[in-house]
Amino acid sequence: DAGVTQSPTHLIKTRGQHVTLRCSPISGHKSVSWYQQVLGQGPQFIFQYYEKEERGRGNFPDRFSARQFPNYSSELNVNALLLGDSALYLCASSLGLGTRFEKLFFGSGTQLSVL
Amino acid sequence: SQELEQSPQSLIVQEGKNLTINCTSSKTLYGLYWYKQKYGEGLIFLMMLQKGGEEKSHEKITAKLDEKKQQSSLHITASQPSHAGIYLCGADFAETSGSRLTFGEGTQLTVNP
Repeated sequence: DAGVTQSPTHLIKTRGQHVTLRCSPISGHKSVSWYQQVLGQGPQFIFQYYEKEERGRGNFPDRFSARQFPNYSSELNVNALLLGDSALYLCASSLGLGTRFEKLFFGSGTQLSVL
Repeated sequence: SQELEQSPQSLIVQEGKNLTINCTSSKTLYGLYWYKQKYGEGLIFLMMLQKGGEEKSHEKITAKLDEKKQQSSLHITASQPSHAGIYLCGADFAETSGSRLTFGEGTQLTVNP
């Protein structure tokens, strides 16, 4: 079975541009979460989506948005890119709402560089 | 995250040596997850601890959760070069729910052959 897949793997953008990152969860998983990992730090929670609805949001500006599609895949959008948005963006999927003690499965991430 | 402190930040050991990584929370823990990450790659699930005093093992890796101290430790016995990577603890705090994990900053492990 395929794991969590993310595309693209690497991306280079310039300040002010817009970017869209994509994630396909493990087959049968209905919850997708997005994390940002800046070099040298642990991942930080951005969003969780379940059944196409936002179920949680971390401390990120409105430039960050996401959505989930009927097939449970998800997109993360970032507008007006800043240099500080350079990071590894990780997508994680889980079977249900991700309530207690559910295992999160992570993709390999999209490395975003903003110049 | 200041809510979750990992120590040490980095560790260099000789192959065959034992080692311990600690993860201490400033808030009540509901669950504690351990992940391993190769540089620039995704996270690989290692173990999940749910209750105080719980201990789990997988191959040569053992993790324990001390509810009183709100602390977890990850112990590797007879380390091998394949154990090298970044170890991350992720907390499910009692006041939140869902798959919103708060991660520590990671421990970079190097195992010299």
